[in-house]
Amino acid sequence: AQTVTQSQPEMSVQEAETVTLSCTYDTSESNYYLFWYKQPPSRQMILVIRQEAYKQQNATENRFSVNFQKAAKSFSLKISDSQLGDTAMYFCAFMATSGTYKYIFGTGTRLKVLA
Amino acid sequence: NAGVTQTPKFRILKIGQSMTLQCTQDMNHNYMYWYRQDPGMGLKLIYYSVGAGITDKGEVPNGYNVSRSTTEDFPLRLELAAPSQTSVYFCASSDYGTVNTEAFFGQGTRLTVV
Repeated sequence: AQTVTQSQPEMSVQEAETVTLSCTYDTSESNYYLFWYKQPPSRQMILVIRQEAYKQQNATENRFSVNFQKAAKSFSLKISDSQLGDTAMYFCAFMATSGTYKYIFGTGTRLKVLA
Repeated sequence: NAGVTQTPKFRILKIGQSMTLQCTQDMNHNYMYWYRQDPGMGLKLIYYSVGAGITDKGEVPNGYNVSRSTTEDFPLRLELAAPSQTSVYFCASSDYGTVNTEAFFGQGTRLTVV
């Protein structure tokens, strides 16, 4: 069974600074996708970034980038130039491409951006 | 497009009552999911469906039932509500094999059982 671990329950960062959120996962699958979702106080789950395991290049989306280390089963999210609107819960998620395509989520990291 | 729509947004149930959480999606996605979110626990999969007429249990299915008679709809039924079912419930859909591999979520239902 796959598991996703987020070891940082809470983090804070000063506005305009950079912060990295950690995520590790455990799987025996070779093909899969990894995701970071943002959940602001509105409760809506918003996709931040996705990474396909067969791609060696790390995904980037504007101020958001990942450090994907497949051998170490690590998938961290870096937020550059943090903004007050980045304050939210962040969830790491895993989806294997064999079988039933279930999404497995970590327990989340609550990020607070300080003015 | 409305995406994934959940109703209701909030509900208070008494112990032993039953209710159905509605979920519909207009993206023609084959895969649909129900998750519950408890503080500090992330999202736990309750049930999922890979297409109309096909459903299967996730991690925490006890106390819940689902059906999938159409591609669009995936209702979640709570029978004999218990305080342990107090949670935020999310419905999601996806369509692996297309460009969009991510799950699309509804806005959630906050359920309180008293």
